[in-house]
Amino acid sequence: QVQLVESGGGVVQPGRSLRLSCAASAFTFSNYGMHWVRQAPGKGLEWVAVISYGGDNEYYADSVKGRFTISRDNSKNTLYLQMNSLRAEDTAVYYCARPGVPFGYYYYMDVWGKGTTVTVSS
Amino acid sequence: EIVLTQSPGTLSLSPGERATLSCRASQSVSNNYLAWHQQKPGQAPRLLIFGVSSRATGIPDRFSGSGSGTDFTLTISRLEPEDFAVYYCQQYDTSPPITFGQGTRLEIK
Repeated sequence: QVQLVESGGGVVQPGRSLRLSCAASAFTFSNYGMHWVRQAPGKGLEWVAVISYGGDNEYYADSVKGRFTISRDNSKNTLYLQMNSLRAEDTAVYYCARPGVPFGYYYYMDVWGKGTTVTVSS
Repeated sequence: EIVLTQSPGTLSLSPGERATLSCRASQSVSNNYLAWHQQKPGQAPRLLIFGVSSRATGIPDRFSGSGSGTDFTLTISRLEPEDFAVYYCQQYDTSPPITFGQGTRLEIK
């Protein structure tokens, strides 16, 4: 079945970097834009970034702009999130999510991964 | 940016009762670009409703969505034990950014 599996989370000190990965399977990954969404402990969902299906367009939440970079490797069916200059407020579960419509990206999310936890702490 | 405000923050009901959850937008959401997601503790969100009123694959028909403009509603006609969770509305009209409501916690009374 359609699946997204995130990895790469962990505990990191403030100011350091981390790269998250999201492996996609059972669908044509290269036909879909992809999102990262995060959830701080005990809080709601916050959209982080989106990348177009071809990888040539990216958009970010103001809270991460200039620090995070979303990218993808369609040959590996994998989505990435490079997180630099991490702050305590970036502590969250990070989910990758697929939009419900191919070849677009500003849509509802119809498939979610289980998430990977990032903790920023000294 | 469209801000979504959900009410109530917490809703306490019993199995078998009807649940009505509200989502209000700070400006009109055109094209019916409003979705609802369900999240249970320790799990990822799950899409319930998209396009205001279309149920996602496998979602039982006791879940229904309605509304237009700035006011939207998720209704669960008869609550089952597995329906007690947190519910988020999401708009995908004016983007970026995509925005979510702060959530409504549906708890067993």
